[in-house]
Amino acid sequence: EVQLLESGGGLVQPGGSLRLSCAASGFTFSNYVMTWVRQAPGKGLEWVSSILIGGGNTYYADSVKGRFTISRDNSKNTLYLQMNSLRAEDTAVYYCAKGTAFDIWGQGTMVTVSS
Amino acid sequence: EIVMTQSPATLSVSPGERATLSCRASQSITNNLAWYQQKPGQAPRLLIYGASTRATGIPARFSGSGSGTEFTLTITSLQSEDFAVYYCQQHNNWPLTFGGGTKVEIK
Repeated sequence: EVQLLESGGGLVQPGGSLRLSCAASGFTFSNYVMTWVRQAPGKGLEWVSSILIGGGNTYYADSVKGRFTISRDNSKNTLYLQMNSLRAEDTAVYYCAKGTAFDIWGQGTMVTVSS
Repeated sequence: EIVMTQSPATLSVSPGERATLSCRASQSITNNLAWYQQKPGQAPRLLIYGASTRATGIPARFSGSGSGTEFTLTITSLQSEDFAVYYCQQHNNWPLTFGGGTKVEIK
């Protein structure tokens, strides 16, 4: 079964850090662009970041550039999102998704930034 | 950045009727457009990619059309499970961008 499973969310204070993981199974992870998308409570979908197949090319939304880092470990079939200098407006459900037209989504992991 | 604008924000439709959702891009994205359905508490689900190709397992009552800057998602004969929020998304240029969504509600 094709599956993405996120982990690592939680409650963090403003200015803090968090690392999200996304474990992939059921497809050849190394052959696909991988992406993080977030959704603030009651709001729409927002693309956060994507990483190309080899991992050498990465793209970020302006809202997270310089604070978040996307990476991947193709040997572990795992995608990561390192989030630093977190702000209240980063509070959201974070989804990992396969590709750039997202045919597979994880179940999401909640990140809450609050003091 | 390409801005995606969806209309209307809310669409009230009776079961069995047709729903037509619109999505406009601020510049041409050729046919690099996807549509998603999202129900409360669930992750989005891909319905359409390449503007008009149904994703695996998507019923034929869902169809997409358009190219360039104007796109449409049509749902013929709405079923109870189709009441949800629908998003369009362009994957032609970085940054990838989503529309604000259209909520399809029961009339």
